[in-house]
Amino acid sequence: GAVVSQHPSWVICKSGTSVKIECRSLDFQATTMFWYRQFPKQSLMLMATSNEGSKATYEQGVEKDKFLINHASLTLSTLTVTSAHPEDSSFYICSAAGGWDQETQYFGPGTRLLVL
Amino acid sequence: AQTVTQSQPEMSVQEAETVTLSCTYDTSESDYYLFWYKQPPSRQMILVIRQEAYKQQNATENRFSVNFQKAAKSFSLKISDSQLGDAAMYFCAYRTNTGTASKLTFGTGTRLQVTL
Repeated sequence: GAVVSQHPSWVICKSGTSVKIECRSLDFQATTMFWYRQFPKQSLMLMATSNEGSKATYEQGVEKDKFLINHASLTLSTLTVTSAHPEDSSFYICSAAGGWDQETQYFGPGTRLLVL
Repeated sequence: AQTVTQSQPEMSVQEAETVTLSCTYDTSESDYYLFWYKQPPSRQMILVIRQEAYKQQNATENRFSVNFQKAAKSFSLKISDSQLGDAAMYFCAYRTNTGTASKLTFGTGTRLQVTL
């Protein structure tokens, strides 16, 4: 149980385009989803927390107009990187909490974004 | 604010031996959760073990166990009978228990090498 998927796993895009990343909880209803960014050989940096049906809460320093988060259902959250630039290249990971285990976050496999 | 410290950037263990990874944290709260996550080269974050602060008994999951010292704010992970598949980055994480959407605070990680 507690499986979280992410799509796509790899994306390469041109500078200035927008990229959407999907995060799905496959076997439980996720009341809360989290989006992280991870640079090579570093820890995870929380970008935002989203609850189903409400606006995401962004961490200090994260541009909410740049990183659009939508949590339209209890099993799906999306992160859209708008007008991507090379400095947005990174590894993005989502996690979900809910169902029978509200306290534990279960992570997706991550998405590698490369902006050319 | 809570902080999590992992003072060992890298550790090495021989196959079948036992290794202990250290983690200390700073908090003024009495009710919280602690986690160990593993991140292998695939970069998928995998839950290893979790501990509720109100429980005195140390959590155990097969070859993985913790030494939770609440007064000392220490939460070490012991891996017994190490296997090649245990090679990964290990992150210690703290979660407050005030509210259902509480975020995780991660340590900087410990890279574990397993040698033959």
